[in-house]
Amino acid sequence: AQRVTQPEKLLSVFKGAPVELKCNYSYSGSPELFWYVQYSRQRLQLLLRHISRESIKGFTADLNKGETSFHLKKPFAQEEDSAMYYCALYHSGYALNFGKGTSLLVTP
Amino acid sequence: ETGVTQSPTHLIKTRGQQVTLRCSSQSGHNTVSWYQQALGQGPQFIFQYYREEENGRGNFPPRFSGLQFPNYSSELNVNALELDDSALYLCASTRTGGSYNEQFFGPGTRLTVL
Repeated sequence: AQRVTQPEKLLSVFKGAPVELKCNYSYSGSPELFWYVQYSRQRLQLLLRHISRESIKGFTADLNKGETSFHLKKPFAQEEDSAMYYCALYHSGYALNFGKGTSLLVTP
Repeated sequence: ETGVTQSPTHLIKTRGQQVTLRCSSQSGHNTVSWYQQALGQGPQFIFQYYREEENGRGNFPPRFSGLQFPNYSSELNVNALELDDSALYLCASTRTGGSYNEQFFGPGTRLTVL
């Protein structure tokens, strides 16, 4: 079965500190993984996908098939990064399986 | 370009009632997916509609049903409402064709079942 696990419900860091939001998955096929973000009072939006291998708003995520992980990282957190982050696995050609989410709080 | 819209914003129903939620897809999109997001949880896939037919379904009972119209808008119907159906219902649209296309989410409908 497909499963996405985000072990941290809440992550609090100081502005300028590095950030790592953890995501682990279980999937028998070749995974397509994404990070979605929801800022306060805004709708859920795509942050990045592993296939594109690009950096968005300073965030990067590397797919590690050996560890079945897709952790989201940023070297220097900004206050505007405070939001809810969801890791998601795309499967069966149509469905997104989301983790429970991690609330990131960046304090000055 | 018009984004995904959903109506109503909020809804209160009582147990046993039926509810219909509506979604207008983003311009140029032909596929609509519905998700249920309970408090403190991530969105859970309910089903997807493409070409007016159900294209895939998550682990939800048959009392959750849907429709897609020729203009690609969609409805989610829930019969015999239960207290656990209280959640935020999200609609997402995309354009099917080729590899994965980004799903664009609506603002959601907050359903409360009393």
